[in-house]
Amino acid sequence: NAGVTQTPKFQVLKTGQSMTLQCAQDMNHNSMYWYRQDPGMGLRLIYYSASEGTTDKGEVPNGYNVSRLNKREFSLRLESAAPSQTSVYFCASIVQGKNTEAFFGQGTRLTVV
Amino acid sequence: GDSVTQMEGPVTLSEEAFLTINCTYTATGYPSLFWYVQYPGEGLQLLLKATKADDKGSNKGFEATYRKETTSFHLEKGSVQVSDSAVYFCALSVAGGYNKLIFGAGTRLAVHP
Repeated sequence: NAGVTQTPKFQVLKTGQSMTLQCAQDMNHNSMYWYRQDPGMGLRLIYYSASEGTTDKGEVPNGYNVSRLNKREFSLRLESAAPSQTSVYFCASIVQGKNTEAFFGQGTRLTVV
Repeated sequence: GDSVTQMEGPVTLSEEAFLTINCTYTATGYPSLFWYVQYPGEGLQLLLKATKADDKGSNKGFEATYRKETTSFHLEKGSVQVSDSAVYFCALSVAGGYNKLIFGAGTRLAVHP
């Protein structure tokens, strides 16, 4: 059972470079989310997709774009990386409803120099 | 808006000590409450949850009771082990629309032999 798979696990970018973080889930969930984790700040929601074909901004969307390619895949793109985007990024697939539960990938540690 | 406040860490305990990690929340409506655990180098995993007032969530010796009157969901364990060393996140989800998980800042627990 793969669950939620993120790639890559580590990445170093130079300021101004672009990259796409990939996320795929095999649990047939409708909702997928991207969070960033910074020391002392917990997880902050960047973007989410409630269902295939829809995306919405979360708490900290600036500097990011997302694509919900299909029900399985939800990618996060940094068009022009900045040092402030150095963080650990987590993708989550979420069961909606009374039994809401999030399943997380193992994270992508991104450093922008 | 909705928010979660956790006690700051790190919390350092000796093996077999009693653990309490405080969590309080602010939410409109009637949230579900969660504790997630993050072991080193991994994503977050659901530890326990409670969906209504006075519910007690429990798992792996950890417990937390949903206290609506004090808007709290404190995590407790009677006897911690070295293997419990991790970061613990309190979170809430408010029903209605698309459930977004809102996380606290996390509390790092270190258990020494």
